[in-house]
Amino acid sequence: GEEVAQTPKHLVRGEGQKAKLYCAPIKGHSYVFWYQQVLKNEFKFLISFQNENVFDETGMPKERFSAKCLPNSPCSLEIQATKLEDSAVYFCASSQTGSGYGYTFGSGTRLTVV
Amino acid sequence: GENVEQHPSTLSVQEGDSAVIKCTYSDSASNYFPWYKQELGKGPQLIIDIRSNVGEKKDQRIAVTLNKTAKHFSLHITETQPEDSAVYFCAASTLSGQNFVFGPGTRLSVLP
Repeated sequence: GEEVAQTPKHLVRGEGQKAKLYCAPIKGHSYVFWYQQVLKNEFKFLISFQNENVFDETGMPKERFSAKCLPNSPCSLEIQATKLEDSAVYFCASSQTGSGYGYTFGSGTRLTVV
Repeated sequence: GENVEQHPSTLSVQEGDSAVIKCTYSDSASNYFPWYKQELGKGPQLIIDIRSNVGEKKDQRIAVTLNKTAKHFSLHITETQPEDSAVYFCAASTLSGQNFVFGPGTRLSVLP
């Protein structure tokens, strides 16, 4: 499709529970990026993929966050043992070639940890 | 690493006036500068971008200027309309496939 599809739109988890977010990039886009947007609007880069390979994971909290992009499946971002500070909107974006083109963002998943 | 600053954090203009948002970046290797508009409850949408080999780019009411020497780039919106009200983000990136570093955003309000 011509849009980045993120599911679910909203997710509520109790502290310590697992959260899993999904992202289907635009068909033909080789790069997928995950960002976390906290209440102050700040975008924090988490991880990027080139096809199914991790391209850059410098922003990922190592202990509880993991992500995958497997062939013929939506990409996923998983948070084990969620904490209150994980509450944020998580955006996925995809890019055709990564060679200086802007991303197309999905509409985000709002994660609320209570 | 790259650091992007953005000013002002909030901007109110009367409908029909112009709005200017300014960004600075720290990494002289950055060569691609997109601008995104984010409306409430939605993902950011690319509105215009500029590469380092160009000083200015215009698309209807929106223009972006880049000063590589000073490491400044700016978004200019002319004849503002209420539907221009949103949060605008500038960003910078270096090599292909690299993540963007975003500015902190500017909340633009266009008053009717």
